[in-house]
Amino acid sequence: ILNVEQSPQSLHVQEGDSTNFTCSFPSSNFYALHWYRWETAKSPEALFVMTLNGDEKKKGRISATLNTKEGYSYLYIKGSQPEDSATYLCAFTGNTGKLIFGQGTTLQVKP
Amino acid sequence: DTAVSQTPKYLVTQMGNDKSIKCEQNLGHDTMYWYKQDSKKFLKIMFSYNNKELIINETVPNRFSPKSPDKAHLNLHINSLELGDSAVYFCASSQVGPSGGIQETQYFGPGTRLLVL
Repeated sequence: ILNVEQSPQSLHVQEGDSTNFTCSFPSSNFYALHWYRWETAKSPEALFVMTLNGDEKKKGRISATLNTKEGYSYLYIKGSQPEDSATYLCAFTGNTGKLIFGQGTTLQVKP
Repeated sequence: DTAVSQTPKYLVTQMGNDKSIKCEQNLGHDTMYWYKQDSKKFLKIMFSYNNKELIINETVPNRFSPKSPDKAHLNLHINSLELGDSAVYFCASSQVGPSGGIQETQYFGPGTRLLVL
């Protein structure tokens, strides 16, 4: 059974705080790691797809790193804003081609 | 322009009924998927079609039957609905099939909230 675990499950921060969360995934048969942002009542929206060990991706104030050898990825948000409030999902793709999702980290940014 | 659309958005029905959920994508993608968001909020793959051919079929009751009339559409038909089928169902699409480009981003529809009474 392939498990993708995210921590913490939820996070409350003040506007302006920087924060990070973790995604753990199987280190064998790795093909890709995806991060999605999911706002309430909307569709999950792709943030990053990472395939190479040591990869770092950045989009505005959000960045992600990847360690395929130990099976983890970090998502960082610098200077959180209320509009960053959402659930952040990671998903692992192995050699089966299927996306296996974690449960998500729900971020609430207070003004 | 909605990239991946689903109808209906909400569906309330009685146990034992048969219902369909429709999905359409206007992105020109080759592959489409159905996911079920379970009670613990995980998104779990149910089916995947690449160019109208079934390529992923998870352990799903055979009351669930996907149909892809063309590569822009993937519909989900559910027979003899049960209480446990109540969930949110998401459709998604990607540019290349899983075997040929599994790092491709999947684009999700807004979800169909199914409630079986």
